[in-house]
Amino acid sequence: QVQLQESGPGLVKPSETLSLTCIVSGGAISNYYWSWIRQPPGRGLEWIGYIYHSGTTNYNPSLESRVTISLDTSKKQFSLKLSSVTAADTAVYYCARDHYFDYWGQGALVTVSS
Amino acid sequence: DIQMTQSPSSLSASIGDRVTITCRASQGISSYLAWFQQKPGKAPKSLIYGASSLQSGVPSKFSGSGSGTDFTLTISSLQPEDFATYYCQQYNSYPLTFGGGTKVEIK
Repeated sequence: QVQLQESGPGLVKPSETLSLTCIVSGGAISNYYWSWIRQPPGRGLEWIGYIYHSGTTNYNPSLESRVTISLDTSKKQFSLKLSSVTAADTAVYYCARDHYFDYWGQGALVTVSS
Repeated sequence: DIQMTQSPSSLSASIGDRVTITCRASQGISSYLAWFQQKPGKAPKSLIYGASSLQSGVPSKFSGSGSGTDFTLTISSLQPEDFATYYCQQYNSYPLTFGGGTKVEIK
């Protein structure tokens, strides 16, 4: 059974960079697309971007200037960096597999506050 | 961007009711549509992909239909564990986008 687990700081200061990692277990990391999705408290879901096992990335234009997603196949993990954060970036951040998100992590709440 | 519009945004239903949720895309997306169930404090759970294909382990009371711009998710007989928020999502083109959600509550 494929499992995804997010990890990273739960509190980030405004203007700093949010960093999260997602570890994949129970399945291959190759030949899949790996996405980050976020959900502000009480609101809907927003796709942030994906990375393919080849390293190809695709980002949501609304966040593209601030987002970097990277992949470490040897460690079976991929990471999210979101720069210049503001309070509007406070959200639960999920990692998920493929274009129709068949597997999800449990989510990591990241609060942006000084 | 493709806008996904769900209706209703919320509904009240009784145990045993048949419930239908609609999702409309702002442009044609073929059958590249997925449905998710989310309970409070939990990650979304994949129910359906390809508009009508049931994910492994999802009970057959859930069904999806549609293609192009109009889609539906049906729960044939609502049970207590089905009270949740449901989201549709298109994966026809980037950026991938979600509907605003439909909250299913107990009447």
